[in-house]
Amino acid sequence: KQEVTQIPAALSVPEGENLVLNCSFTDSAIYNLQWFRQDPGKGLTSLLLIQSSQREQTSGRLNASLDKSSGRSTLYIAASQPGDSATYLCASPLGRSQGNLIFGKGTKLSVKP
Amino acid sequence: DAGVIQSPRHEVTEMGQEVTLRCKPISGHNSLFWYRQTMMRGLELLIYFNNNVPIDDSGMPEDRFSAKMPNASFSTLKIQPSEPRDSAVYFCASIGLADTQYFGPGTRLTVL
Repeated sequence: KQEVTQIPAALSVPEGENLVLNCSFTDSAIYNLQWFRQDPGKGLTSLLLIQSSQREQTSGRLNASLDKSSGRSTLYIAASQPGDSATYLCASPLGRSQGNLIFGKGTKLSVKP
Repeated sequence: DAGVIQSPRHEVTEMGQEVTLRCKPISGHNSLFWYRQTMMRGLELLIYFNNNVPIDDSGMPEDRFSAKMPNASFSTLKIQPSEPRDSAVYFCASIGLADTQYFGPGTRLTVL
């Protein structure tokens, strides 16, 4: 059974700082891993998806890495901005189907101006 | 594209009443998912459909919950009768040929 954990639950950083968000999973035979952003009162927006055959994906100031052997993924945010403040969730499918995404509980990020 | 559309955005009802949540997936997407989000349990999959057929409903908490997808552009999640512990945000998501799920804005349900 896949379990996904995100620590810490909350993080506060000053504007301009580079930061790393962590995601751990128990089943290393993952199909892929996705990072989402959720703003208060809104739905989830997909940020990056890393297939099991990949080690990282980049989009703008965001870089996500995947290490299946250690059961870890990280989301690196460069030069953080107040607009990056949101809750970031990682998720991995149960098995090889996209049907059942198992989510972590998220890290609430606050970037102070 | 307008993205995944959900209605209503907010629903307040009394215990025992029937609640129907609606979802319109992105056109061309062949899989649809219903999730529930609470502070205690986070995001949990309730049920998902592939080509309008329910594939996995193991997350549906009990018989009070039912979901239908009569066609490729519409799905409903019904709770009858509703209870206070059903209060949560319910999300609908859809996925096409790629693996990325696209989420709707959610329905915030409050059962008094």
